[in-house]
Amino acid sequence: NAGVTQTPKFQVLKTGQSMTLQCAQDMNHEYMSWYRQDPGMGLRLIHYSVGAGITDQGEVPNGYNVSRSTTEDFPLRLLSAAPSQTSVYFCASSYRTGAINEKLFFGSGTQLSVL
Amino acid sequence: AQSVTQPDIHITVSEGASLELRCNYSYGATPYLFWYVQSPGQGLQLLLKYFSGDTLVQGIKGFEAEFKRSQSSFNLRKPSVHWSDAAEYFCAVVGPGGSYIPTFGRGTSLIVHP
Repeated sequence: NAGVTQTPKFQVLKTGQSMTLQCAQDMNHEYMSWYRQDPGMGLRLIHYSVGAGITDQGEVPNGYNVSRSTTEDFPLRLLSAAPSQTSVYFCASSYRTGAINEKLFFGSGTQLSVL
Repeated sequence: AQSVTQPDIHITVSEGASLELRCNYSYGATPYLFWYVQSPGQGLQLLLKYFSGDTLVQGIKGFEAEFKRSQSSFNLRKPSVHWSDAAEYFCAVVGPGGSYIPTFGRGTSLIVHP
């Protein structure tokens, strides 16, 4: 049982480059989300999805795009990378009981550096 | 809007000593509360959660937390800390109603001295 799989684990970009961080889960979770983690800032929500075809913005969405064409996959796209996007990115998914996210399952993270 | 505060950025304890990590939330009604742990280089793992009922909640790895409505707190405790407990701990809150999206505190880094 793979759980939540994030790729790549490490990435270095130059300013202005674009890339996609991949996230896949095999638990049939309705809810998926992306967070960024910066020192002293905790986890900040970038985008989330409550089901295929449905996405919404979180606290810090600027500079990022997402789509949810399948239940399993929730890629995060950096349109034009900036040094301020240097961070560790986590994908998380969850069952939902009614509308409650019972427990988040996290991927192991992607460490991104933008030069 | 819901919010959660972890007042301690770092906590240092000796191995075998007791531990209490503080978490305060801001929400009008009783929220759903969580504690997660993050080991170095890893994603977060759920320690315990409170939805309703008994205000003292038991979790994995010998941790417990107590919900105190009067103090808007959900502090995490462990009677005897092990060196392997050194990690980052996050409190999270989900408010009933609205989007049910978890909001995380900024985390508390636990350092364990031998």
